[in-house]
Amino acid sequence: SQKIEQNSEALNIQEGKTATLTCNYTNYSPAYLQWYRQDPGRGPVFLLLIRENEKEKRKERLKVTFDTTLKQSLFHITASQPADSATYLCALDPRVGLYNNNDMRFGAGTRLTVKP
Amino acid sequence: KAGVTQTPRYLIKTRGQQVTLSCSPISGHRSVSWYQQTPGQGLQFLFEYFSETQRNKGNFPGRFSGRQFSNSRSEMNVSTLELGDSALYLCASRAERQGGYGYTFGSGTRLTVV
Repeated sequence: SQKIEQNSEALNIQEGKTATLTCNYTNYSPAYLQWYRQDPGRGPVFLLLIRENEKEKRKERLKVTFDTTLKQSLFHITASQPADSATYLCALDPRVGLYNNNDMRFGAGTRLTVKP
Repeated sequence: KAGVTQTPRYLIKTRGQQVTLSCSPISGHRSVSWYQQTPGQGLQFLFEYFSETQRNKGNFPGRFSGRQFSNSRSEMNVSTLELGDSALYLCASRAERQGGYGYTFGSGTRLTVV
C-alpha cells in the first residue's frame, strides 16, 4: 500500500542552526513533491514544489531535495528562527492519469520547534 | 487577492444531525479539494471537484458528500453525524487539477460532534 512517512513527529533545534526534515514514500511515483507549513488551528500554507526531474530547489532560507531513486525528499531551513516553529507537511502530487485519480497525499507532518 | 474562505469557522453539532460546510476558492481557481484533519490521522483526502464534477473521492463513507457550483464555490455535507467526525475540515483550491500547482488552503471549519 502507498505510504508517506515524515521522519519524526517533533524536532527541536537551536536558533541559527539548520533544520532538516525528511519525507519518505513507498509504492508511489509522484510527479511533484510539495512542502507546506501549518500553524496551529490554521490551514497549511504552500512553501515549495519540486519536480521529479529536479534534484534541488531553493527559496530564500529554504532548500528542498528530491531523490526519486531513494524515494525521499529532504527539507532544510537554514539559519532557523523561532518564527519558523510550526508543523511542516510533505505532499505527493501524482502523475495525472496513472492512478486514475490525482488527489494529493499528505504526510503526517513534523512539528519543528526552534528555541532561542 | 482574497484567499480561500471557509464558513463557518466553528461548529458544534449533536450526533445524528447533519452539517453543511462552505468553501469559496480563490477567484479563477477551478479545482477544489476537501480534506479532513484529525490528530491521529493527519490530512485525509475527501474529494475533489473540478468544473462542477466530482473527479475524485477518498475512502470515506457515503455520509460524506459534496458539490461544486458554476462559480466554483463548493459545499460538503455530512449526514448522520458521528462522534468520530469531529475534525478540522479543510478546503483547498488550485488553478488547475493537473499536478505542479500548489494548493491554497482555507483556515478550515472546526467541527465538534457531541
